[in-house]
Amino acid sequence: AQSVAQPEDQVNVAEGNPLTVKCTYSVSGNPYLFWYVQYPNRGLQFLLKYITGDNLVKGSYGFEAEFNKSQTSFHLKKPSALVSDSALYFCAVRDLRGGGSQGNLIFGKGTKLSVKP
Amino acid sequence: ETGVTQTPRHLVMGMTNKKSLKCEQHLGHNAMYWYKQSAKKPLELMFVYSLEERVENNSVPSRFSPECPNSSHLFLHLHTLQPEDSALYLCASSQDRQPWNTGELFFGEGSRLTVL
Repeated sequence: AQSVAQPEDQVNVAEGNPLTVKCTYSVSGNPYLFWYVQYPNRGLQFLLKYITGDNLVKGSYGFEAEFNKSQTSFHLKKPSALVSDSALYFCAVRDLRGGGSQGNLIFGKGTKLSVKP
Repeated sequence: ETGVTQTPRHLVMGMTNKKSLKCEQHLGHNAMYWYKQSAKKPLELMFVYSLEERVENNSVPSRFSPECPNSSHLFLHLHTLQPEDSALYLCASSQDRQPWNTGELFFGEGSRLTVL
């Protein structure tokens, strides 16, 4: 089955500290992985993606994610958190099954990141 | 500004009303999507249109009726909704939906629907 899991409903971090938001995936074949962010009362915004190549992917707003094939993980990281990073973060994988669902994104349930001053 | 505009941003309707949500994308994309976002639930893909043709309907109740008159516009027509249909409805677009395309989705800011 094609799926993503975000094991934490909420992550709390102090401003200036490093942050990690976890994501694991289950796909057959090579995964296409994405991170999106949703600020309050807004739509989702693309942060970064992994398709192939370097396992460390850099994205918007200083975020990066590390693809780990052996652990089937794609954790989102940032060296120094900002209060303005507080938002809902979604991991997603492209559905590579055949049929009508092919190519669509499968989203995790989201992780709420709270950065305190 | 993501290039995907949704109207209205907020909508309150009774169970017997008929209303529509509108989405317009200015990105030249050829695939458009409707997602439903409810509290404490994963994003649910409702409909997918590629080149104005509906290619997927994820078992959505018939009280939701999509329309895609051209590649830039997408509507979601609503009638005889239930209170549990209250949610944030998100529109998105992408360049292509084929599996080999690596393009990401571009989302609108959503339409917050409340059904009384």
